[in-house]
Amino acid sequence: DTAVSQTPKYLVTQMGNDKSIKCEQNLGHDTMYWYKQDSKKFLKIMFSYNNKELIINETVPNRFSPKSPDKAHLNLHINSLELGDSAVYFCASSQGRPNNEQFFGPGTRLTVL
Amino acid sequence: GDSVTQMEGPVTLSEEAFLTINCTYTATGYPSLFWYVQYPGEGLQLLLKATKADDKGSNKGFEATYRKETTSFHLEKGSVQVSDSAVYFCALMSGGSNYKLTFGKGTLLTVNP
Repeated sequence: DTAVSQTPKYLVTQMGNDKSIKCEQNLGHDTMYWYKQDSKKFLKIMFSYNNKELIINETVPNRFSPKSPDKAHLNLHINSLELGDSAVYFCASSQGRPNNEQFFGPGTRLTVL
Repeated sequence: GDSVTQMEGPVTLSEEAFLTINCTYTATGYPSLFWYVQYPGEGLQLLLKATKADDKGSNKGFEATYRKETTSFHLEKGSVQVSDSAVYFCALMSGGSNYKLTFGKGTLLTVNP
């Protein structure tokens, strides 16, 4: 069984479009995250939700909007896509104490043309 | 703010060689320290962690010791295998950062037979 799943795995789109990436975890965790990994493999957190409440919101353009309909889902919607948004986006989840392990999804490779 | 510095890659070794990947950090308070591994085409997996000074994390033959006096968490393995080829990320989590994971830039390890 997949613990943290993301859809789609690959997303190719034109500049200016709006797109969404979905994330679901079946681990019963209460905290979920979105990370961006650039072409040089550098990973940076974007958002974190705990029990559907936003707790971390890094300096991310407001074109990016996370939405958590329930504890098991954290979706990422991106408006007016730009070339610089091309990256791999990872969803992750964790439970309980903050320094517990984060479980990562397989990633969504977004390419903006 | 929090930061993690790890040795630049790529690192190329022959099978059964000794591996060290250096990692140093800057953080407020007393962070927890982690090593994550990313195999080709996959998401990140926790390799090992240490939550307080002098703790040693270990897993799959890899070890790292939390050294507060040198603010370091170097990753070591006595005898690498081809299957260890991956990108390795050092990371920290501290209360001062609202418990977000801060990653180093990753080190690509290639092990040749």
